[in-house]
Amino acid sequence: DGGITQSPKYLFRKEGQNVTLSCEQNLNHDAMYWYRQDPGQGLRLIYYSQIVNDFQKGDIAEGYSVSREKKESFPLTVTSAQKNPTAFYLCASSTPTEADTQYFGPGTRLTVL
Amino acid sequence: QQQVKQSPQSLIVQKGGISIINCAYENTAFDYFPWYQQFPGKGPALLIAIRPDVSEKKEGRFTISFNKSAKQFSLHIMDSQPGDSATYFCAASGGSNYKLTFGKGTLLTVNP
Repeated sequence: DGGITQSPKYLFRKEGQNVTLSCEQNLNHDAMYWYRQDPGQGLRLIYYSQIVNDFQKGDIAEGYSVSREKKESFPLTVTSAQKNPTAFYLCASSTPTEADTQYFGPGTRLTVL
Repeated sequence: QQQVKQSPQSLIVQKGGISIINCAYENTAFDYFPWYQQFPGKGPALLIAIRPDVSEKKEGRFTISFNKSAKQFSLHIMDSQPGDSATYFCAASGGSNYKLTFGKGTLLTVNP
């Protein structure tokens, strides 16, 4: 089955620790995206990548970092510089022929203890 | 600055009724308007989408109405069912980077 996988589903971290969220897709999509979802806030774009080895900041990139070494993978690192990291994180991807149609993964819920 | 405003925040409808969710946008460069459905603890799923060359698009019980001059679009769910209970997000995109701008969501509850 083709799709987007995110792991882990739940993640707990202590304050001051960096943590990396995984996103993998086997849809052969070129573009990948990371969003943060908070209650009542909708989805806010953190980073996006349209091709391998290239990525751009979204609206709320501070305290986050990404890499895009492979087409299939777009990991997100939440650094200790992110002041309020507890949220639901969503990864998405899209294909060049339908670039504005984004397909989402199941999400990772990060809780800072 | 919120570029896509969605209302209402929450909506309660009886089974069989019509659910209506509205969105308004500001950026005239937007040319793609999708709606996503999200169940608790899951990722959003694309429900239906429209482009400005048509004023209405229907897929089953779901219809998007689009008013380009008013810069508004809405989702209508006919014969609403308890299984439709979810959070619905409108979004918009336009230009070369295909970034989606989302509304803040509407929590729909359909009572049996």
